[in-house]
Amino acid sequence: SQTIHQWPATLVQPVGSPLSLECTVEGTSNPNLYWYRQAAGRGLQLLFYSVGIGQISSEVPQNLSASRPQDRQFILSSKKLLLSDSGFYLCAWMTQNNYGYTFGSGTRLTVV
Amino acid sequence: AQSVTQLGSHVSVSEGALVLLRCNYSSSVPPYLFWYVQYPNQGLQLLLKYTTGATLVKGINGFEAEFKKSETSFHLTKPSAHMSDAAEYFCAVRSDRGSTLGRLYFGRGTQLTVWP
Repeated sequence: SQTIHQWPATLVQPVGSPLSLECTVEGTSNPNLYWYRQAAGRGLQLLFYSVGIGQISSEVPQNLSASRPQDRQFILSSKKLLLSDSGFYLCAWMTQNNYGYTFGSGTRLTVV
Repeated sequence: AQSVTQLGSHVSVSEGALVLLRCNYSSSVPPYLFWYVQYPNQGLQLLLKYTTGATLVKGINGFEAEFKKSETSFHLTKPSAHMSDAAEYFCAVRSDRGSTLGRLYFGRGTQLTVWP
């Protein structure tokens, strides 16, 4: 079966610390992968998407970066976190024959 | 460009009452349309989707939505609300243009509260 894993579930990090959130997909190949952020009152904001290994498109210029080192692995990173990076981060995937997204369970990031 | 407007960021209903969550979209091509539900601190779960064919789409948990091309709408309904329906609901439209192939554009969400 096709599943998506996202971890950690919650994270509290100090300002200026690095960040690495990981998302992996199982049971599919060559998926389109997406990172979204939910901040209070701002809905779903698309941060990055990837259509293949090493192919990253950024939607919003900011303090974050993404990488796709393997077909089914998508990583969200930051070298130095800001308070404004706090939020709920969601990973999602979509295959070529799927008309919608499947979302991971999300990571609640609090920058203090 | 595709866009989605959800009218009403908060909707409150009594248990047993009709649920109506409104969604209007903008798309220059026949759209694919989706409704997702999100419970607190969880990811989004697909409720239902419209791709082609019958314009009335039935989803999980007793929800349904009707695609109305003339009104560019895809409103979500449920005849009788349950306490367990309390959650945030997102409408989305799929883009099939160029490099954003398959990308979904989401509305800002509607928080549904159900009163006992």
